[in-house]
Amino acid sequence: GENVEQHPSTLSVQEGDSAVIKCTYSDSASNYFPWYKQELGKRPQLIIDIRSNVGEKKDQRIAVTLNKTAKHFSLHITETQPEDSAVYFCAATPNQAGTALIFGKGTTLSVSS
Amino acid sequence: ETGVTQSPTHLIKTRGQQVTLRCSSQSGHNTVSWYQQALGQGPQFIFQYYREEENGRGNFPPRFSGLQFPNYSSELNVNALELDDSALYLCASSPGGFNSGNTIYFGEGSWLTVV
Repeated sequence: GENVEQHPSTLSVQEGDSAVIKCTYSDSASNYFPWYKQELGKRPQLIIDIRSNVGEKKDQRIAVTLNKTAKHFSLHITETQPEDSAVYFCAATPNQAGTALIFGKGTTLSVSS
Repeated sequence: ETGVTQSPTHLIKTRGQQVTLRCSSQSGHNTVSWYQQALGQGPQFIFQYYREEENGRGNFPPRFSGLQFPNYSSELNVNALELDDSALYLCASSPGGFNSGNTIYFGEGSWLTVV
């Protein structure tokens, strides 16, 4: 089945710097790749997603890139702010009947001011 | 606001007991999935329901079972609770099949503690 690897597990940056989190997936048929932000004690919140027919998507300070050939996708956060501090999860949906999101193990992002 | 609500928000159960967690999705969200998120881990897929039938399951034993109802609500039932079942249980729904690339929305979750 699908396997999603996420790196790094922890990331510390200074306010204003950029942060990059990378994920790889194993199932070449996967077609949907969301990123979630989870603050302590709260539900995962969708921050951006990308579908397999698109190579890049941007929403203000957040962007996601997808390389289908290499089977990896990345989250880019520019001009980081302390409120960006949280755990970020990537996920993939394998193109099989009746299968839902497979998550990476998460990246704890700390933005210091 | 995702339109996905879960209840209860917190509960404590004793090992060996049974628990039912509930989820209510937006009208038109035909697909619902349940996830288990242990502390410090990513969500793990338990199972998925589409139009009231289970059509996908992760690596969880049969004591984890579910139901989906015509009114877009669903239940997760766990029998013979074990200490390792302590986790945040998340419900997620989508307007279409989960394979179609539709956006998936999570509820706030139910925190289960087994003692």
